Amino acid sequence: ILNVEQSPQSLHVQEGDSTNFTCSFPSSNFYALHWYRWETAKSPEALFVMTLNGDEKKKGRISATLNTKEGYSYLYIKGSQPEDSATYLCAPTSGGSYIPTFGRGTSLIVHP
Amino acid sequence: DGGITQSPKYLFRKEGQNVTLSCEQNLNHDAMYWYRQDPGQGLRLIYYSQIVNDFQKGDIAEGYSVSREKKESFPLTVTSAQKNPTAFYLCASSMGTGGMNTEAFFGQGTRLTVV
Repeated sequence: ILNVEQSPQSLHVQEGDSTNFTCSFPSSNFYALHWYRWETAKSPEALFVMTLNGDEKKKGRISATLNTKEGYSYLYIKGSQPEDSATYLCAPTSGGSYIPTFGRGTSLIVHP
Repeated sequence: DGGITQSPKYLFRKEGQNVTLSCEQNLNHDAMYWYRQDPGQGLRLIYYSQIVNDFQKGDIAEGYSVSREKKESFPLTVTSAQKNPTAFYLCASSMGTGGMNTEAFFGQGTRLTVV
């Protein structure tokens, strides 16, 4: 089983705060990493796909970076809003596995 | 609209009964997956299929069975051998496996309760 770690497990912030989470994965045989947002009562939806070391992706106030050599990715949210409240999942394919393995996720709650 | 449909949304079954969860996709994706989520846990892979008539066990396949007779359909049967079947089940599909093709598209999920 591929070891994918996400931290922190949960996070409570105030509206307007900036925050970041971490996804750690085996650095060997890396193929790609997806970030997903999972809102309550909805299906998970893809935010970013990252494939190259040093990749940086941005969508509005959310951005992500990737370090394949050391096996981690950061997700940043600038100026959090209540609608950002969700669980954020990362799913790398690496370590010889072609199948995405999901981390436990980081649950973000943004208080107005 | 293209997407993945899981049915039913809620399912109740008596202990000892087999139950089949439906998953249909019209995205023309080759790969399909079944995941299970328990409180405080991430998505754990039960089974996956990379192509019609072929499927592989995931990390927690014991007590489950699947079939992939059509590209669009990947039903999951929870058998009486599954020790703790009460959980939330998510079906997903992707264009393929490996690299960028693994972006997963998810259904709405089925919450199974065994009483």
